[in-house]
Amino acid sequence: DVKVTQSSRYLVKRTGEKVFLECVQDMDHENMFWYRQDPGLGLRLIYFSYDVKMKEKGDIPEGYSVSREKKERFSLILESASTNQTSMYLCATFLTGLHYGYTFGSGTRLTVV
Amino acid sequence: GENVEQHPSTLSVQEGDSAVIKCTYSDSASNYFPWYKQELGKRPQLIIDIRSNVGEKKDQRIAVTLNKTAKHFSLHITETQPEDSAVYFCAASITDYKLSFGAGTTVTVRA
Repeated sequence: DVKVTQSSRYLVKRTGEKVFLECVQDMDHENMFWYRQDPGLGLRLIYFSYDVKMKEKGDIPEGYSVSREKKERFSLILESASTNQTSMYLCATFLTGLHYGYTFGSGTRLTVV
Repeated sequence: GENVEQHPSTLSVQEGDSAVIKCTYSDSASNYFPWYKQELGKRPQLIIDIRSNVGEKKDQRIAVTLNKTAKHFSLHITETQPEDSAVYFCAASITDYKLSFGAGTTVTVRA
């Protein structure tokens, strides 16, 4: 089975801090994604990457940036955390073939205080 | 960008009854429509998908229908069981991998 691992399950940060959320996949997949999940809003795409050093903005990129220096790792960066960025963050990779579709990580619940 | 609306936001059904969730999309170029199920405390998982060249697809107790003209698609769950209780998300995409999700439907199956 493909594994998508997010480094932290729960995170509490202070307003104004720079926050790094890490995601690692154990297959050689090009496409990786960061979503945030909020009640009543579903999953909203922040950024995605289709190859090393390649990135593209999603629907809500403001206040975020990403880094993909190696194929297996995709990092989401909150440049200056704010309380409205308190959310569940989900990383995903996209698979083709037998297990077509997204494989999500277990999520990071970030609280900004 | 693509806008996906999903209804209802919550759905409570008696065990054994059917459940139907409906989604509409805005971009007529969308051609891939997956459904994800998220059980409490777990990650979303793909349960079924349909492409725009197909009107209906079934997999055991679940089915999805697509009306391209009206730009809406639906998930049907028959003979609901307690393990069907979860949040269900519809999504639409032009590219397959860049998905726009609906807001989700919380389904509760009453014993």
